[in-house]
Amino acid sequence: GQNIDQPTEMTATEGAIVQINCTYQTSGFNGLFWYQQHAGEAPTFLSYNVLDGLEEKGRFSSFLSRSKGYSYLLLKELQMKDSASYLCAVLDSNYQLIWGAGTKLIIKP
Amino acid sequence: SQTIHQWPATLVQPVGSPLSLECTVEGTSNPNLYWYRQAAGRGLQLLFYSVGIGQISSEVPQNLSASRPQDRQFILSSKKLLLSDSGFYLCAWSLRENTEAFFGQGTRLTVV
Repeated sequence: GQNIDQPTEMTATEGAIVQINCTYQTSGFNGLFWYQQHAGEAPTFLSYNVLDGLEEKGRFSSFLSRSKGYSYLLLKELQMKDSASYLCAVLDSNYQLIWGAGTKLIIKP
Repeated sequence: SQTIHQWPATLVQPVGSPLSLECTVEGTSNPNLYWYRQAAGRGLQLLFYSVGIGQISSEVPQNLSASRPQDRQFILSSKKLLLSDSGFYLCAWSLRENTEAFFGQGTRLTVV
């Protein structure tokens, strides 16, 4: 079966750095997405990785290792507005998106 | 620029009643269109996707159906709602399968 694993919840302090991990087992791989979802709202796109390595975009970075079936989202200089759920999704061999359940990130002052 | 409209934002319907949720996209042509459902604290479950007018693929057997009567219009329907149909429904579009999806505001459906 296809599976995406993320921690259910994480807590971090304002101004700090947090790393949200995602491991996957899918039938094929055509890329990995990270989305941010605030409570009661729709997900918004953060990043896309298809090759191994680190993609940096401002305070957010995403890393991919295809051989390990592993990705992480790194958030720096955390702000209160970063409190949200972070969803990892993998595009399988049929170009279908397989979604993780999301990681709820709680930022404390 | 492209925009996606989904309505209504919230809906309370009795068991056995019909359902129609509508989604329209502006500013692009021939988008891939998707209907997702998200249960509380869970990931997104793909219900239907469409790569063109009249072309609908169903991922999960259920009492829901979808239609794409126009290029940028996607409709989710049910003839008789069940309690288990309650959830957060999201419409989304993308240019291709391997590009990011853009989501509508979502519809929170409560079946009572």
